[in-house]
This record gives sequence, structure tokens and C-alpha cells, in this order.
Amino acid sequence: AQSVSQHNHHVILSEAASLELGCNYSYGGTVNLFWYVQYPGQHLQLLLKYFSGDPLVKGIKGFEAEFIKSKFSFNLRKPSVQWSDTAEYFCAVIPSGGYQKVTFGTGTKLQVIP
Amino acid sequence: DAGVIQSPRHEVTEMGQEVTLRCKPISGHNSLFWYRQTMMRGLELLIYFNNNVPIDDSGMPEDRFSAKMPNASFSTLKIQPSEPRDSAVYFCASWTGQAWNEQFFGPGTRLTVL
Repeated sequence: AQSVSQHNHHVILSEAASLELGCNYSYGGTVNLFWYVQYPGQHLQLLLKYFSGDPLVKGIKGFEAEFIKSKFSFNLRKPSVQWSDTAEYFCAVIPSGGYQKVTFGTGTKLQVIP
Repeated sequence: DAGVIQSPRHEVTEMGQEVTLRCKPISGHNSLFWYRQTMMRGLELLIYFNNNVPIDDSGMPEDRFSAKMPNASFSTLKIQPSEPRDSAVYFCASWTGQAWNEQFFGPGTRLTVL
């Protein structure tokens, strides 16, 4: 079975700082990868996803993530965060092919200080 | 499409009472998930269905919890009897079942058991 690790549980940044949130997965085969965002009091929404092609994926609101297969990583980045990026971020993985269960990481709470 | 619909949005009940949460997935999606989210335990997968059949209920906390999906457009999560430790936000998510597609989350039901 696959697993997902998000090592940063709580990150605090000042506005305009650069962001990188770590996501590592363990699975022996091909996977599809997702980042979801949950704003305070709201439900999870898709930020970006990777399933094939260019390993550098661009999502909404200036976020991007890079899939590094050799490192089993899919880190989320943003060059300059805003106060409105304060939210919890979840990495998720689904093995490719057939019906598989999605596995979420434990989430990283990001707090951006104005 | 209206997205995933959950009801009620808020539920306050007393310990020992039966609670029923409802979910209507996106039309055409053949997989449905129930999650529970708390500050202490984060996001937990309780159960998921594929084509109305429960595939994995290993996340269901105990026998007090039960879930059904009588048809493709409706699912319920029932807690009987409810306890204060069941207080959480319960999310329903639907999915096409295809690995390159993301899950779509409903707005959640905030349950408070007094």
C-alpha cells in the first residue's frame, strides 16, 4: 500500500516570502499526485495535479509543484506568498491503473503573517 | 453541476442520540468517500464506496458508525448512539474512479455532540 509523508506540520511565513512544502510518497509503481488546499472553515479544493508529462506542474494562484521520481517527492512551491494563502495544504497520491484508493498526507498548516 | 451536496451543514445533538449525515455525489461519479476531520486527528478516511459497494470500511471507528449507499446518487453516514468524541467535521467526496482525476469534496457537516 502507498503512503504519503508531509514533514512540515506547521509553517509560518511573512508575506512575500518563498514557500516550499515537502511531500514524499512510498509506492513501487506509477502514481498520480495531487495537492489540495483547505482555507479556514472550508472544504478541500484541488490546487494542482500531476499524472504524466512535464514534471513541473503549475496550478492556481501561482502555485507549482515538481515531481521528482527518483526522490519520490512532489514538493509544492510558491515564490511569494500572500496573507490569503493561509490555509492547510494536503498532498495526495493515487497509484495509476485500475481502481486504487487515494491516500492523503497529514497536511501542513501554513500561516502567512502580513 | 452543483457539486457534492451534504446535509445538514451543521448538527448539534446530545450524547446518545442518533445522527444521520447525508451526501449526494456528483452525477456520473462512481466512487464516494466519507472523511472525518478533527484538530487532534486530522483528516481520516472512514469508508469508501465504488459503484455503491463498500470497498474499504477499515477507517470506521467502531460499530456505532455505519454507512450506506443505496443508489448512485445518495449516501448516508449514521452514528448511533453518538458521543461527544464524535464531534468533528464530516466530509463527503466523490470521484470518477479514474486515477488522473481529483476527488471533489462537499462543504462538510459540522457535528457537535454535547
